[in-house]
Amino acid sequence: SQQGEEDPQALSIQEGENATMNCSYKTSINNLQWYRQNSGRGLVHLILIRSNEREKHSGRLRVTLDTSKKSSSLLITASRAADTASYFCATGGSGGSNYKLTFGKGTLLTVNP
Amino acid sequence: EAQVTQNPRYLITVTGKKLTVTCSQNMNHEYMSWYRQDPGLGLRQIYYSMNVEVTDKGDVPEGYKVSRKEKRNFPLILESPSPNQTSLYFCASSLYAAFNEQFFGPGTRLTVL
Repeated sequence: SQQGEEDPQALSIQEGENATMNCSYKTSINNLQWYRQNSGRGLVHLILIRSNEREKHSGRLRVTLDTSKKSSSLLITASRAADTASYFCATGGSGGSNYKLTFGKGTLLTVNP
Repeated sequence: EAQVTQNPRYLITVTGKKLTVTCSQNMNHEYMSWYRQDPGLGLRQIYYSMNVEVTDKGDVPEGYKVSRKEKRNFPLILESPSPNQTSLYFCASSLYAAFNEQFFGPGTRLTVL
C-alpha cells in the first residue's frame, strides 16, 4: 500500500488565494519531500523536511511536519496560475530503508486566473 | 547543465519484443532509480541502485531488469513487454540515497500493444 497519501485529491482555487495540501504516512521516516509535476512532465523537487524539523519555508511555500500524527502539509501562499500542477509528497527512509522513496498519489491543484 | 536524460521519450511496441529505456545523469550521483506512473496509482518505484553494480528491487519489479555498470547510466530493460507495462516511466538520481533531493528525467511514455 502507498506510504504517503495526499489530501485532497483535487483542489481548485482562484489566483491570489492560498492552497493547502496534506500528506499522511504510515511508518517512521527520515524525511519527507514535496514535488511538483506539470502535466505529464518530470517531477521537480520543491522542499525537503527532516524528521526532526517541524516547519520549513521556501519562498511562497511553507511545509509542516507532525511526526506524532504522521502527517505533513504544504501551503502555497498567494497562488498563481503557473502553480497549476500535481503535487506529491514522498517519504524517504520508510521501513528502515534509506534507499526507498515512496510517493503518494498526488493532489491536482488548479489555480484559476 | 545538470540533468537526467531518458531515451526514447515515446515508444510504441508489441508484446514480447525486448526493449531498453536508457537513463543517464551528469551529476556524478551515486543513487539512481526507476519509477512508473499510472493514473490513480501515483508513482511506484521499480528498481533502484545505490552505486555501480549495486541494485535492488522497489515495489513493482516484476517484468523489469536493470543494470548499473557505469555510475552515470541506469538502463531499464523489459525482456518481454506486456500490455500491463504500458505506462509513463521516470528515471531519477540523487547524491546518495532516497533522503536526498531527487532529480527526475523528462519521462518515457511506453505503449505495449
